Amino acid sequence: QSVLTQPPSVSGAPGQRVTISCTGSSSNIGAGYDVHWYQQLPGTAPKLLIYGNSNRPSGVPDRFSGSKSGTSASLAITGLQAEDEADYYCQSYDSSLSGPFYVFGTGTKVTVL
Amino acid sequence: QITLKESGPTLVKPTQTLTLTCTFSGFSLSTSGVGVGWIRQPPGKALEWLALIYWNDDKRYSPSLKSRLTITKDTSKNQVVLTMTNMDPVDTATYYCAHRQEGSGWSRGFDYWGQGTLVTVSS
Repeated sequence: QSVLTQPPSVSGAPGQRVTISCTGSSSNIGAGYDVHWYQQLPGTAPKLLIYGNSNRPSGVPDRFSGSKSGTSASLAITGLQAEDEADYYCQSYDSSLSGPFYVFGTGTKVTVL
Repeated sequence: QITLKESGPTLVKPTQTLTLTCTFSGFSLSTSGVGVGWIRQPPGKALEWLALIYWNDDKRYSPSLKSRLTITKDTSKNQVVLTMTNMDPVDTATYYCAHRQEGSGWSRGFDYWGQGTLVTVSS
């Protein structure tokens, strides 16, 4: 039911760069609403990774970066490490006719080969 | 230091009403721009936003679940309560509460999360 679409999985070798896309529409990302990204390690609660499209909270390594363009957003992980193996979710706000609401993406599992 | 913790039943029967409480510390829900939201995650599935209440008592609900949800706050107790009626086995999930802060044209997303509580719906 999510209106933000992510690839189910991405993988990369240690040290490589991977990107995760988050595709929305004109009622959410395309309307100018901020995109936030969360990392969820196995068995734990999600953790804020990127806020306001491209800002890192204190303590988040600069290997993680976010961007937004048009109706999509992306999360990039450079210098992939074993500890980055987790699920990643984008999140934004939607102002469709059914009412304003918050929305999460479908989620992407990152595997470190 | 901001912390949140969810509490409530671990098992509910189909058609029953679920009541979850989020007890928080380190911030006040009477501060301008602050909100507390509820998000759930069925086993092995994606996150799903449910509801959010703001410092000014403004409330937002997921359109698909709006008829079943009620969110309230007790500022004096630092608690937010979510009720969900007519529970069904498909509502089995880990339920999280999370802190949010925003201003005019900016937000920091859900920046602090509780540990989550697993609710199973079964007869």
